[in-house]
Amino acid sequence: GDSVTQMEGPVTLSEEAFLTINCTYTATGYPSLFWYVQYPGEGLQLLLKATKADDKGSNKGFEATYRKETTSFHLEKGSVQVSDSAVYFCALSDQGFQKLVFGTGTRLLVSP
Amino acid sequence: GAGVSQSPSNKVTEKGKDVELRCDPISGHTALYWYRQSLGQGLEFLIYFQGNSAPDKSGLPSDRFSAERTGGSVSTLTIQRTQQEDSAVYLCASSPGQSLNEQFFGPGTRLTVL
Repeated sequence: GDSVTQMEGPVTLSEEAFLTINCTYTATGYPSLFWYVQYPGEGLQLLLKATKADDKGSNKGFEATYRKETTSFHLEKGSVQVSDSAVYFCALSDQGFQKLVFGTGTRLLVSP
Repeated sequence: GAGVSQSPSNKVTEKGKDVELRCDPISGHTALYWYRQSLGQGLEFLIYFQGNSAPDKSGLPSDRFSAERTGGSVSTLTIQRTQQEDSAVYLCASSPGQSLNEQFFGPGTRLTVL
């Protein structure tokens, strides 16, 4: 079945550092890809998405590019802030945005 | 506007008891999803409702789990004869139901089975 693999955390960075969180997927067909974020004490929120190969999703300074050839959707940010500390989940969905298949989540800790 | 709400926010129960978890989706959203977030299994899909169609129950882990959606709005997830491995955060999400739509998540219900 479909699956998502993302790097284990926690990822610990200093403010203004460059962030990469790796995500690869296995799927039949052509899935849509997502990054969701869960801030402390809050619910899951969509961060960005990409629906087809070579699409780049972006939001709040975060970016991820849908790479079909490497089945990857790595999350990047050029300069992280303390307020970016959260758990980040990579996910995929196929067949018209029905159920989401999530990775295990990566905790990001940003220190001042 | 109002987002997805879930109740209760926390539930502690004894092994063997039945529990009901409630989800109020965003008004007008035709699609509703239940997921489970646990330490051992991560985030797992449980069940999906779309309008008046038969639900997709493919993620329910056992026949002790069931869900219904009344009037196309509020949904209740029922776990019968709870076991300790049912302890998790149960998340509900809704979406407008057409393709390319975001799922909006509620805050979850934390279930602890003693």
